[in-house]
Amino acid sequence: NAGVTQTPKFRILKIGQSMTLQCTQDMNHNYMYWYRQDPGMGLKLIYYSVGAGITDKGEVPNGYNVSRSTTEDFPLRLELAAPSQTSVYFCASIRARTGPYGYTFGSGTRLTVV
Amino acid sequence: AQTVTQSQPEMSVQEAETVTLSCTYDTSESNYYLFWYKQPPSRQMILVIRQEAYKQQNATENRFSVNFQKAAKSFSLKISDSQLGDTAMYFCAYNAGNMLTFGGGTRLMVKP
Repeated sequence: NAGVTQTPKFRILKIGQSMTLQCTQDMNHNYMYWYRQDPGMGLKLIYYSVGAGITDKGEVPNGYNVSRSTTEDFPLRLELAAPSQTSVYFCASIRARTGPYGYTFGSGTRLTVV
Repeated sequence: AQTVTQSQPEMSVQEAETVTLSCTYDTSESNYYLFWYKQPPSRQMILVIRQEAYKQQNATENRFSVNFQKAAKSFSLKISDSQLGDTAMYFCAYNAGNMLTFGGGTRLMVKP
């Protein structure tokens, strides 16, 4: 009963480096999301996907890319890391378009860009 | 775009007392869902309570209850008999369509 799994849990990047944050869910959820949470702030939506092969931008997409080749996986790619991308990143999923079920969140990835 | 506002950045309450966290939102939708999430120091996002906009009855989950005022677009969380384990960040969130929009959060400290 894994739910939403994010890897890695922590990472330090140098300015200009690239990396991929992994997100996998085993609940057969159609909708998946990437959020970032800056210190002391709420979560802001980066990208989301409503199914395999379909992705769309959220509120803060600049500097990121995503892909959704399978229902289970929704990786987030950071190209040319910048200090402004220092944040905690959360992946989330939900089965249906709307509903009272709430979202299932991963445990987060803390990224520091130095 | 929908916005969610939590006007209390920090609050504190004595153990066993009651505290209310405020949340307002802006939307033109008639059907939507509202949530309160708890984020303890472990960073995990934990769903505390949910409310469907079409339901007039306020949701209740054990010590947690909400005061949902649809016309005023207000959705406050009441925590009764506060416990030390309630210390956390609390986020109000709004869901309509594909996206979940969060407020800025309220840091709650429960004091012994």
